[in-house]
Amino acid sequence: AQSVTQPDIHITVSEGASLELRCNYSYGATPYLFWYVQSPGQGLQLLLKYFSGDTLVQGIKGFEAEFKRSQSSFNLRKPSVHWSDAAEYFCAVGARSGGSNYKLTFGKGTLLTVNP
Amino acid sequence: DTGVSQNPRHKITKRGQNVTFRCDPISEHNRLYWYRQTLGQGPEFLTYFQNEAQLEKSRLLSDRFSAERPKGSFSTLEIQRTEQGDSAMYLCASSSLVEGNTIYFGEGSWLTVV
Repeated sequence: AQSVTQPDIHITVSEGASLELRCNYSYGATPYLFWYVQSPGQGLQLLLKYFSGDTLVQGIKGFEAEFKRSQSSFNLRKPSVHWSDAAEYFCAVGARSGGSNYKLTFGKGTLLTVNP
Repeated sequence: DTGVSQNPRHKITKRGQNVTFRCDPISEHNRLYWYRQTLGQGPEFLTYFQNEAQLEKSRLLSDRFSAERPKGSFSTLEIQRTEQGDSAMYLCASSSLVEGNTIYFGEGSWLTVV
């Protein structure tokens, strides 16, 4: 069965500093990979996704992620963090479920705190 | 396009009562998903529909849970005889093959069972 590990439960960075959130996945085939962000009490907003092709994907809000098959990783990065980036970040792997369908399996999330 | 809409956003109910949540997917999205999220955890898959057909159900979806999607439009998730362990946020999402199958989530419906 597929699984996602986000090793860091909580990360604190200063505003303007760079950010990297780690994500490792386990899946027996080529994965679909996603990063979502969730503000307190809110739903999930898609930051970026990887289906195939270029392993470095660009997302919204200045985020990017790199798929590394050899390391089973899909780490999220941002060169300069803004206070508004404070939220919880979820990595997810899409497991195929019949044809082109898939369902998402999420990690437990990484809570990002941004210090002024 | 107004996004995935969920109602009610918050529900407090007494143990043993039935509750129903409604989800309106993004217009013309033929796939609809339900997930559950408890505090400190990532969302967990419950079930999904393609049009009106319920194609997969998680083992998390006990007999007290039922989901429907009549006519392939909106969906309802009903929980019968609620238990305190049902307290969670219930997230609905939708996708369309035309849009590359990306799954978009709603704001969620919070359930508190007292």
